[in-house]
Amino acid sequence: EAGVAQSPRYKIIEKRQSVAFWCNPISGHATLYWYQQILGQGPKLLIQFQNNGVVDDSQLPKDRFSAERLKGVDSTLKIQPAKLEDSAVYLCASSPNTGLAGNEQFFGPGTRLTVL
Amino acid sequence: AQSVTQLDSHVSVSEGTPVLLRCNYSSSYSPSLFWYVQHPNKGLQLLLKYTSAATLVKGINGFEAEFKKSETSFHLTKPSAHMSDAAEYFCVVRGYSTLTFGKGTMLLVSP
Repeated sequence: EAGVAQSPRYKIIEKRQSVAFWCNPISGHATLYWYQQILGQGPKLLIQFQNNGVVDDSQLPKDRFSAERLKGVDSTLKIQPAKLEDSAVYLCASSPNTGLAGNEQFFGPGTRLTVL
Repeated sequence: AQSVTQLDSHVSVSEGTPVLLRCNYSSSYSPSLFWYVQHPNKGLQLLLKYTSAATLVKGINGFEAEFKKSETSFHLTKPSAHMSDAAEYFCVVRGYSTLTFGKGTMLLVSP
């Protein structure tokens, strides 16, 4: 079974530029998550989708971050404009369904963003 | 609301000696708890999970963790460390459908 795919793996941009990340979850997984992992910290949830609807985006900085999952499969996360503090690894994860205790999330390899 | 505290940012052991990574949790209801491992430049991998069944949970690669409600702890252990165990380990508590991660413990294994 193929895992969660993310691209690009690495991205370097200057502040105030825009950037987009792509995620393709495991086939059939209804729930998709985007996390931000700043160096030295644990991942922090940015947004959760259930199929093509947003379940939780309470920690997404909506003035500069946006995400979509239009067809309920793959997803893109965009930052516009980027700030220095956005330098982090952006992780995508998926799970078969939501609301069940102990349901496992499967993580992709992440995209490492450096903002100069 | 739920949270986890990993008590050590770094743990150093020698190969063949026991491993103990400590985690305390806070949850307003019966928690689901996980340990994930992250090797350099690789994705997070689930080691084990507790979901209100047996309090001693066995995971992959010889790791296990014990859920202690009275101590609000979920410490990760392994009897004998291997060089390949060197990685960062995250204790995680699950809410309704979202995960809250600790800050991580870096495990260093020396020959």
